Amino acid sequence: DGGITQSPKYLFRKEGQNVTLSCEQNLNHDAMYWYRQDPGQGLRLIYYSQIVNDFQKGDIAEGYSVSREKKESFPLTVTSAQKNPTAFYLCASKLQGQETQYFGPGTRLLVL
Amino acid sequence: GIQVEQSPPDLILQEGANSTLRCNFSDSVNNLQWFHQNPWGQLINLFYIPSGTKQNGRLSATTVATERYSLLYISSSQTTDSGVYFCAVDGFGNEKLTFGTGTRLTIIP
Repeated sequence: DGGITQSPKYLFRKEGQNVTLSCEQNLNHDAMYWYRQDPGQGLRLIYYSQIVNDFQKGDIAEGYSVSREKKESFPLTVTSAQKNPTAFYLCASKLQGQETQYFGPGTRLLVL
Repeated sequence: GIQVEQSPPDLILQEGANSTLRCNFSDSVNNLQWFHQNPWGQLINLFYIPSGTKQNGRLSATTVATERYSLLYISSSQTTDSGVYFCAVDGFGNEKLTFGTGTRLTIIP
């Protein structure tokens, strides 16, 4: 099956703990994106990567980090510096030269 | 950056009704997309429509770029149309989407 997978579906974090959210795609897409969605709100861009080993900050990058060592993988780490991490996190990807972004099913992060 | 406003914020309709959702944006764009988010959180792209009109079954969309707005039409609504509809835009050279806050559509049987 081709698509974008995110894991885990639900994630619980204790105060002061770093956690990593997984995003994998087998669509051979070049660009990948991480968004955060809060209840009743639209999506806000955290980080994006257009090619391997390169990534740019989005609008709300503070407290997050990413890596892009492989084309198919774009993990997001939520660090202890992110003071309000409880949210729904969505990963997306797209083919270079095309405009349509395809989204994964999301990960719900809850801080205990 | 570009501002995106969607209206109405909430819409409750009877099954079979038609609806029009609006997206206003504050600057010229080279990319405008409509998405549907189902109750489980999955986002599906409906249209890529920076200008003009497109139709896909019961859904159609029109973007008037010179007046900076886009409309999404849903005809003969079904309960599976329920969810949140987002408009997202990208200005020239930005390579990233800015999302509106969405319209929550609830279709009652």
